[in-house]
Amino acid sequence: DIQMTQSPSSLSASVGDRVTITCRASQSINTYLNWYQQKPGKAPNLLIYGASTLQSGVPSRFSGSGSGTDFTLTINSLQPADFSTYYCQQSVSSPYTFGQGTKLEIK
Amino acid sequence: QLQLQESGPRLVNPSETLSLTCTVSGGSISNNNYYWGWIRQPPGKGLEWIGNIYYSGSTYYNPSLESRVTMSVDTSKNQFSLKLTSVTAADTAVYYCARQSTMIREDIYYYYMDVWGKGTTVTVSS
Repeated sequence: DIQMTQSPSSLSASVGDRVTITCRASQSINTYLNWYQQKPGKAPNLLIYGASTLQSGVPSRFSGSGSGTDFTLTINSLQPADFSTYYCQQSVSSPYTFGQGTKLEIK
Repeated sequence: QLQLQESGPRLVNPSETLSLTCTVSGGSISNNNYYWGWIRQPPGKGLEWIGNIYYSGSTYYNPSLESRVTMSVDTSKNQFSLKLTSVTAADTAVYYCARQSTMIREDIYYYYMDVWGKGTTVTVSS
């Protein structure tokens, strides 16, 4: 299985900040990388697929980049609704494994 | 608007079989552009992909669960289902069903889960 490792596991930031979350794959996954946002008690919500393609309806302050083994999710100008847990997922090969999550909290 | 809804027993005895159904509304499960999947999340933990199924019945399972998992599809009811046998407390989780979509970019097929059910909590306990 391909292992996905996110860093940091948790992060404190303020409204208006710019934050970056990193996801590393245990082997090259090209750009087969998705990002999800999950709020407490809710299902995950797709933000980005193909490493950099923004899902319809997702605010443009979210962006993704990377290829191979190293990827980043960047959120510009944090809004109160952005304080959630974020997961990366590889989709190059089954099983489609997730990272352990990054919890973004208000400072 | 496509919606998915999980249903099934919330409490399962250890060693028995967990059975869940996902009902798809607002679209056809027989659309050949999509797979249909199950993902679970133990309390306070991360997400685990269980597997997915195509409307034709072809399946992909997580090898860590493959010996205990069976997925099926009922196109007449627009539903797909999950069975997990010989459950233990470690199978206690929120179970989500989701649609897996495909996007083709520069001849590369990208897969992602873009529509999710709300999830159902299943507890394994006697």
